[in-house]
Amino acid sequence: EADIYQTPRYLVIGTGKKITLECSQTMGHDKMYWYQQDPGMELHLIHYSYGVNSTEKGDLSSESTVSRIRTEHFPLTLESARPSHTSQYLCASSGLGAASSYEQYFGPGTRLTVT
Amino acid sequence: GENVEQHPSTLSVQEGDSAVIKCTYSDSASNYFPWYKQELGKRPQLIIDIRSNVGEKKDQRIAVTLNKTAKHFSLHITETQPEDSAVYFCAGGGNNRLAFGKGNQVVVIP
Repeated sequence: EADIYQTPRYLVIGTGKKITLECSQTMGHDKMYWYQQDPGMELHLIHYSYGVNSTEKGDLSSESTVSRIRTEHFPLTLESARPSHTSQYLCASSGLGAASSYEQYFGPGTRLTVT
Repeated sequence: GENVEQHPSTLSVQEGDSAVIKCTYSDSASNYFPWYKQELGKRPQLIIDIRSNVGEKKDQRIAVTLNKTAKHFSLHITETQPEDSAVYFCAGGGNNRLAFGKGNQVVVIP
């Protein structure tokens, strides 16, 4: 079934550790996004990509980095996790292959806690 | 860039009544305005959207209106039901990226 997947769903990690949050979509979309969201609060765009080898920073300053080597895969990496990174991270995709190229589809999210 | 503002922050309605959420946007170049519903612990899901060349769109109990001149758009939910209780986000932008509002908590009182 075409969908957007995120792993892990929950992660508790100590300060200073390097982590990678995975996002994959099987919808054939060309655009992908990472948002940071505290529960029930505003969605902040932190990174986006228009296609392979394209990455852009979003509106919220973030110490994370992203890569887009394959169309379906858009991982987010934190080189050194800090308690201020504790939040939910939502991946989304849109574009070619969708009924409406404008609509963004969200993954289930990764809830990150940094101790 | 686009800035989307959303009011009020919390809305309580009696079951069966209507709920209206209003948003304003800043960038006249924005041409796409979706509304997302997010239930507790779940991902945001699109419930309705509107393009800038349309003034109103309806889907069963949900409707969206757009006023390009005033740069505002609204979500209307009629005959509210308990399952309508959620956080609703408006957004504005275009094909490449969206700016989201801060969200409205809607509580439907049985």
